[in-house]
Amino acid sequence: EAGVTQFPSHSVIEKGQTVTLRCDPISGHDNLYWYRRVMGKEIKFLLHFVKESKQDESGMPNNRFLAERTGGTYSTLKVQPAELEDSGVYFCASSKTLQGKNNEQFFGPGTRLTVL
Amino acid sequence: GENVEQHPSTLSVQEGDSAVIKCTYSDSASNYFPWYKQELGKGPQLIIDIRSNVGEKKDQRIAVTLNKTAKHFSLHITETQPEDSAVYFCAASTTGGFKTIFGAGTRLFVKA
Repeated sequence: EAGVTQFPSHSVIEKGQTVTLRCDPISGHDNLYWYRRVMGKEIKFLLHFVKESKQDESGMPNNRFLAERTGGTYSTLKVQPAELEDSGVYFCASSKTLQGKNNEQFFGPGTRLTVL
Repeated sequence: GENVEQHPSTLSVQEGDSAVIKCTYSDSASNYFPWYKQELGKGPQLIIDIRSNVGEKKDQRIAVTLNKTAKHFSLHITETQPEDSAVYFCAASTTGGFKTIFGAGTRLFVKA
């Protein structure tokens, strides 16, 4: 079974530019999450999709970030325009839905974003 | 807001020694506590978890303990090996909830 994949693995852009990150979850996983880790700090929750619907986007930093999951399969996270503080590693994770249980989240390898 | 504090940030041990990583959480509604291991170039991977109705759980060389009253939980690795070297994250969430709050991570070095 293929794991969660993310593209690109690294991205270096200049302040003010736009970047789009992609995540392909494990097939059959309805739940998809985006997280971000800034150097040396915690892995911070950004948002959670159930299929194509945004279930919780309380962690999104501001309106420069836009996440989509059209069709309920892969997801994209766009940052426009990028700022220096957006630098970090963006992780995607996916999980099944099992009623009344905490479901193991499977993480992708992350996209390292550097904004210069 | 909800947060999870994790200590230490770096831990260096000799091969064969034990390693302990400690976390505290703020949300009293938290009842699920997973631990993740992140190796170089990879994403975090679940290694063990514990639920609030259990005080301790063990899986081979790793064990987790939970003190709900004090809102503390810990990861214990015995007989450490060089391949245990990685970044370890503790986390907390609620049953049925999907938002997971992570600690800042502990970089563990196991010296051969």
